[in-house]
Amino acid sequence: QSALTQPASVSGSPGQSITISCTGSSRDVGAYNYVSWYQQHPGKAPKLMIYEVSWRPSGVSNRFSGSKSGITASLTISGLQAEDEADYYCSSYTTSSTLEFGGGTKLTVL
Amino acid sequence: QVYLVQSGGGVVRPGGSLRVSCEASGFTFSGYGMHWVRQGPGKGLEWVAFIRYDGRNKYYADSVKGRFTISRDNSENTVYLQMNRLQAEDTAVYYCAKDQTPKFYYDASGYYYGPDNWGQGTLVTVSS
Repeated sequence: QSALTQPASVSGSPGQSITISCTGSSRDVGAYNYVSWYQQHPGKAPKLMIYEVSWRPSGVSNRFSGSKSGITASLTISGLQAEDEADYYCSSYTTSSTLEFGGGTKLTVL
Repeated sequence: QVYLVQSGGGVVRPGGSLRVSCEASGFTFSGYGMHWVRQGPGKGLEWVAFIRYDGRNKYYADSVKGRFTISRDNSENTVYLQMNRLQAEDTAVYYCAKDQTPKFYYDASGYYYGPDNWGQGTLVTVSS
């Protein structure tokens, strides 16, 4: 069981927006702004999409955005496209100097 | 362009040992911490270990503490994961990953952000 809780699946139609939540605790998400989000297509390595809660690496579409409130971080994807269909994982630094991942969310583009 | 090229996976019997390697290029290797992250068959990502840019600090997940050792050779731009007393539940694709945190920030805060660039993954299968 992962320390960070994500919904197992979300879905949306092309052009719509979806939000994936990542709920932790006061020892991880609530303690630091070191939340990252990763996209993983089947058989591929993960790709960093958001770092430090809301910053996008160079080359990542501005359709991807992140936020945090208390112990819950969120990833929002606007203007859904077929290529966004993938698994998404959040991660957070912890007060034990370790890293945690969420259990992952499968995004289906209908 | 950051490249992380992994090697050393394979099949090992329960109780056995294996070392996986990850050679880095395209960035100043000695200026960044490195991670190992694994993914069991059909499962999510599980963080395994982190090593500071100079190797002086290492952190491990509870599930591998005392069995796995992360190390690095900055002269060879390579990070290693030595895995001992392997169990069936250690079967996974193992990824090495570069940490996002610049050296100056890690020195000032002691915190790290998490991975940015990832290797291609290497499969480790523990089976009799």
